[in-house]
Amino acid sequence: QPVLTQPPSSSASPGESARLTCTLPSDINVGSYNIYWYQQKPGSPPRYLLYYYSDSDKGQGSGVPSRFSGSKDASANTGILLISGLQSEDEADYYCMIWPSNAPVLFGGGTKLTVL
Amino acid sequence: EVQLVESGGGLVQPGGSLRLSCAASGFTFSGYSMNWVRQAPGKGLEWVSYISTSRNATYYADSVKGRFTISRDNAKNSLYLQMNGLRDDDTAVYHCVRGRGGYWGQGTLVTVSS
Repeated sequence: QPVLTQPPSSSASPGESARLTCTLPSDINVGSYNIYWYQQKPGSPPRYLLYYYSDSDKGQGSGVPSRFSGSKDASANTGILLISGLQSEDEADYYCMIWPSNAPVLFGGGTKLTVL
Repeated sequence: EVQLVESGGGLVQPGGSLRLSCAASGFTFSGYSMNWVRQAPGKGLEWVSYISTSRNATYYADSVKGRFTISRDNAKNSLYLQMNGLRDDDTAVYHCVRGRGGYWGQGTLVTVSS
């Protein structure tokens, strides 16, 4: 069972926004880690989208549109991927990841995003 | 252009061994840590192992610790994963990944079955 919790599925219509969440266990403080996000389409390896630590420490993957953005909800110990202006090509699986120092890398179980 | 090309996968019986290779090009291989990440059929991503730039630090998932060994040859721009004592649940596509996931190879399929 993945340590990071992602909803198995999410859906939204073209032009709308999709908010994908990644909840960390209570013993791992979301405020202490970069949250990495990846997109995977069938038959392809994952594609790096972005990382988010704070509004002043974040990074976008090469060629990734600005309508993909990250944030955190500290009260919920959760990382968030926001996709605005949804397009049909955004239909994919999305994975979050954290990289604790001197500890195993942790992935979420993935969210399948359907663009209605 | 960054390229990561895995090889060495195949069908192996439980308890058997395989050695995966990853040929890197398009970047200064010695300047990046590397990882192996696997994905079982129809399942999510599972990190397997990490190696630092100079090989002085390696880490493993609990599920493979003691059975798998990661290594690299910076002179050959290559990453390796020696897999021993393979089990059915090691069946997956194994991806070579640069650093914290900026680039991924297409993967090589390992099937463990009798």
